[in-house]
Amino acid sequence: QQPVQSPQAVILREGEDAVINCSSSKALYSVHWYRQKHGEAPVFLMILLKGGEQKGHDKISASFNEKKQQSSLYLTASQLSYSGTYFCGTDSGGSNYKLTFGKGTLLTVNP
Amino acid sequence: GAGVSQTPSNKVTEKGKYVELRCDPISGHTALYWYRQSLGQGPEFLIYFQGTGAADDSGLPNDRFFAVRPEGSVSTLKIQRTERGDSAVYLCASSSTRDSYEQYFGPGTRLTVT
Repeated sequence: QQPVQSPQAVILREGEDAVINCSSSKALYSVHWYRQKHGEAPVFLMILLKGGEQKGHDKISASFNEKKQQSSLYLTASQLSYSGTYFCGTDSGGSNYKLTFGKGTLLTVNP
Repeated sequence: GAGVSQTPSNKVTEKGKYVELRCDPISGHTALYWYRQSLGQGPEFLIYFQGTGAADDSGLPNDRFFAVRPEGSVSTLKIQRTERGDSAVYLCASSSTRDSYEQYFGPGTRLTVT
């Protein structure tokens, strides 16, 4: 079942912060975050694994609440380059590759 | 270095025709994935290759869809008897090993079935 992302869209001014949430109805082994700019390929941001391990880019932070089956992506001091659609992909089977993606959160950062 | 490439970038075909979509993964990447992305949706998993074999094809929607990776590098997604509902962007991704979580996506092939 597809994870639910919130908000669906958010508009920021440069320098502001945002939180994007991802919630699943299934128990999760891992949560993967990707960003996709219009007309481009998705780009990996971070993976959060059951047990607390995280791998990703230094400027991105996220949390994973295994009990609540939720993850949040934290974007601080946003830059214009942060604009794009953010997708969470969840893995409920332990494969770490067979991801079910949410519908995405459109982030727009204005000057 | 070169990223994942996909050809063609756009494909328009008539309902009922056969199409092939090609993916060139990053050199040396053993894992390869195909996804389908419809407008306003996230990518939808189709199939995963580890080397030459399809390790998981559970996401293929029906038997009109088939994918191969004969030499463990380039992969081709084949769609028979295309339907209008097949219209979407087909994305390919690769990763260095089965346990490498970071998937590198290609730019996609936009398939339009008229």
